[in-house]
Amino acid sequence: AQSVSQHNHHVILSEAASLELGCNYSYGGTVNLFWYVQYPGQHLQLLLKYFSGDPLVKGIKGFEAEFIKSKFSFNLRKPSVQWSDTAEYFCAVSLYNQGGKLIFGQGTELSVKP
Amino acid sequence: DAGVTQSPTHLIKTRGQQVTLRCSPKSGHDTVSWYQQALGQGPQFIFQYYEEEERQRGNFPDRFSGHQFPNYSSELNVNALLLGDSALYLCASSLDILAGAAEETQYFGPGTRLLVL
Repeated sequence: AQSVSQHNHHVILSEAASLELGCNYSYGGTVNLFWYVQYPGQHLQLLLKYFSGDPLVKGIKGFEAEFIKSKFSFNLRKPSVQWSDTAEYFCAVSLYNQGGKLIFGQGTELSVKP
Repeated sequence: DAGVTQSPTHLIKTRGQQVTLRCSPKSGHDTVSWYQQALGQGPQFIFQYYEEEERQRGNFPDRFSGHQFPNYSSELNVNALLLGDSALYLCASSLDILAGAAEETQYFGPGTRLLVL
């Protein structure tokens, strides 16, 4: 069965620190890749997505992610985090052209200290 | 442009009861998916509706059923509630690629928090 693994359950950073959240998936076929963010008290919002083309994708609020097909990875990065980035981050995968069922990782809680 | 809306926001039920949750998709979207998010976990796919038919289903028992209406809104029904059904239930909508969408990006509603006592 397909699965998504997020390496860190809870990450604590100080403001201005760099961020990298790991995401690996298990599926040998073509996939679509997503990062969603859930700010405290708010609903899931799309941060960025990869369908095809340039494996380095840029999203909202200065986030970016790199798809490395050989490593089955889609890590999320931000050069300098802010207190307002405190949230839970979810990596998700859907199988290409198969109706859009999303398989989520267990999430990474990011706490940014001011 | 209205996003995905869900009702109710919170619900408390007792074991054995039945519950119906409702979802209105984002304007222009024709596909609705439902997810269950237990505390501290990522959302898990329940099922997806397109053209009023269940198109895909995750690993959930038959106690979980759904419906999609001609206006694309959807309901999730859960029968014989168990304590373990306590969770946040999320609805997501998208535009089906068969309908001409280039991508299948799902947009989520705020969820319905269900507590089973």
